[in-house]
Amino acid sequence: GAGVSQTPSNKVTEKGKYVELRCDPISGHTALYWYRQSLGQGPEFLIYFQGTGAADDSGLPNDRFFAVRPEGSVSTLKIQRTERGDSAVYLCASSLNAGANIQYFGAGTRLSVL
Amino acid sequence: DAKTTQPTSMDCAEGRAANLPCNHSTISGNEYVYWYRQIHSQGPQYIIHGLKNNETNEMASLIITEDRKSSTLILPHATLRDTAVYYCIVRVATNTDKLIFGTGTRLQVFP
Repeated sequence: GAGVSQTPSNKVTEKGKYVELRCDPISGHTALYWYRQSLGQGPEFLIYFQGTGAADDSGLPNDRFFAVRPEGSVSTLKIQRTERGDSAVYLCASSLNAGANIQYFGAGTRLSVL
Repeated sequence: DAKTTQPTSMDCAEGRAANLPCNHSTISGNEYVYWYRQIHSQGPQYIIHGLKNNETNEMASLIITEDRKSSTLILPHATLRDTAVYYCIVRVATNTDKLIFGTGTRLQVFP
């Protein structure tokens, strides 16, 4: 079956621009997570959705970052006024709200801010 | 969630068993040990998890000490495709909250 899909796989933008990163979770998964991974580091949590609502957004670094999941499926991570320090791989994961709550990850979007 | 400690890197010859240790001395009674791995340019991949009994699946075995303060992930016959960063994470299984990743163990399997 289809896994977690993230688009685009690569995004190059200029400092100050606005970007949107998309995540299609596994069908039926109610929980959706965004992480950010810098070179040589483990993924760092950004935000977690349970259905349409953000259950925990404590990892968002500042108010330039925002995420939505309007219909409880696809999610979009939005970054305003991008800075060079935002360059990283942005990972999305989804899980069933049941059992061991295993998170399944997409391949990520590599964002480069020039 | 309890903190984990892993070696930074390990090497293993192809075909041999790879034994990856993890210390989690502050683990709570209801916390499970999860292992994920991340192959270069891919997202993390779930491997296995356990509470206190040893577990085995098609990918690996997980050995948890009796006091639950440490565990070992075993890849019985490592292949070159097992070269990856391996993360040990401790969390409550019913918790749908975030995963907290450390820097993991970089396993290099050589021919």
